[in-house]
Amino acid sequence: DAGITQSPRHKVTETGTPVTLRCHQTENHRYMYWYRQDPGHGLRLIHYSYGVKDTDKGEVSDGYSVSRSKTEDFLLTLESATSSQTSVYFCAISVEDRSSGTGELFFGEGSRLTVL
Amino acid sequence: QQQVKQSPQSLIVQKGGISIINCAYENTAFDYFPWYQQFPGKGPALLIAIRPDVSEKKEGRFTISFNKSAKQFSLHIMDSQPGDSATYFCAASKDNTGKLIFGQGTTLQVKP
Repeated sequence: DAGITQSPRHKVTETGTPVTLRCHQTENHRYMYWYRQDPGHGLRLIHYSYGVKDTDKGEVSDGYSVSRSKTEDFLLTLESATSSQTSVYFCAISVEDRSSGTGELFFGEGSRLTVL
Repeated sequence: QQQVKQSPQSLIVQKGGISIINCAYENTAFDYFPWYQQFPGKGPALLIAIRPDVSEKKEGRFTISFNKSAKQFSLHIMDSQPGDSATYFCAASKDNTGKLIFGQGTTLQVKP
């Protein structure tokens, strides 16, 4: 599992409430990502981070914010959750293979969020 | 705007048969094409990946075929086994960043 822990694994919340999902890694990797998975859409990138306090938007960033104050933690926040944000959220880290120059993504086990 | 299109959406194959999943992409700047395997309740896991400088890559029973001119690539699973039953995603990226564009996914069922 590349030392990735996501919390909470399951959450049910009401529309309009704030929600924070946490991704914790134990291996000091620089690059971290948040994806959401929805039927018929595959996985879509929300935000990513290339270092402490260095983050950028992905394909579907509206309604989401992120923070990375420590290398090991990457937080995803929904300031005011909506039903369209009901999804499974995956955190990923990039592990570089120095011999090939490729970076393999390792995913966490996901956080299932239901917004009622 | 779907930059990576995957088909079929679902696939049923008999044990020992060949499973074939296809993907087409639009952005000619893509230079890294991985396939991910996902079991229920788990995160996707990298299965095999290819760069556009080769037309085929094989790892065990899994083969990627790549056609640069057609902007298509496919996953072939030889001697399919019930344990291969999972959802498969193709993806693409530029410069091998973790900013992957995923296909919609294919649910594979291998019948005993």
